[in-house]
Amino acid sequence: ETGVTQSPTHLIKTRGQQVTLRCSSQSGHNTVSWYQQALGQGPQFIFQYYREEENGRGNFPPRFSGLQFPNYSSELNVNALELDDSALYLCASSSDQAYGYTFGSGTRLTVV
Amino acid sequence: GQNIDQPTEMTATEGAIVQINCTYQTSGFNGLFWYQQHAGEAPTFLSYNVLDGLEEKGRFSSFLSRSKGYSYLLLKELQMKDSASYLCAVPSGGYQKVTFGTGTKLQVIP
Repeated sequence: ETGVTQSPTHLIKTRGQQVTLRCSSQSGHNTVSWYQQALGQGPQFIFQYYREEENGRGNFPPRFSGLQFPNYSSELNVNALELDDSALYLCASSSDQAYGYTFGSGTRLTVV
Repeated sequence: GQNIDQPTEMTATEGAIVQINCTYQTSGFNGLFWYQQHAGEAPTFLSYNVLDGLEEKGRFSSFLSRSKGYSYLLLKELQMKDSASYLCAVPSGGYQKVTFGTGTKLQVIP
């Protein structure tokens, strides 16, 4: 059974650029959630995808968007990057949503 | 909405017992999670409580009181590898959104 994998591991982008982060969910999981974690803070919910549809969204602007594919993998896209977007981006997959997520190791995004 | 409070930092001695508290306010209760997160790594699932009482899982136990909006994580026989952040989290909206606290950074000292 494979876990959740995210790519890339680290990324440096310039303010104003666009970025795409990728996530492969754990085998058998059909739900993917994305979180942003700033240094010293808890993860903040961005949005969740269930069977290719957005299934809930946190307080993030529309320049944060996502996709889920038929194999349940997912992408997080961020347009018009700002310095404050620098954070660890975590993808978490689940099947039975009542029993916790399996997190990927995250993508560390630095915006300069 | 959800509001979660937990201490920012704690220090405990190897071999001892430590209790990490979490208080929460939520509109509609759907259980409470505890996660462990080592520095630079992803959070890992520790426990999920939906009913009142204590649930024990090896050296780790988690307690919930729904009427008090209170939970704690109890770590026994502390080991150096237990040094990590411990995140309290509550789901809402049919589990669409899981809100995390800021985490309690635990340092275990010899």
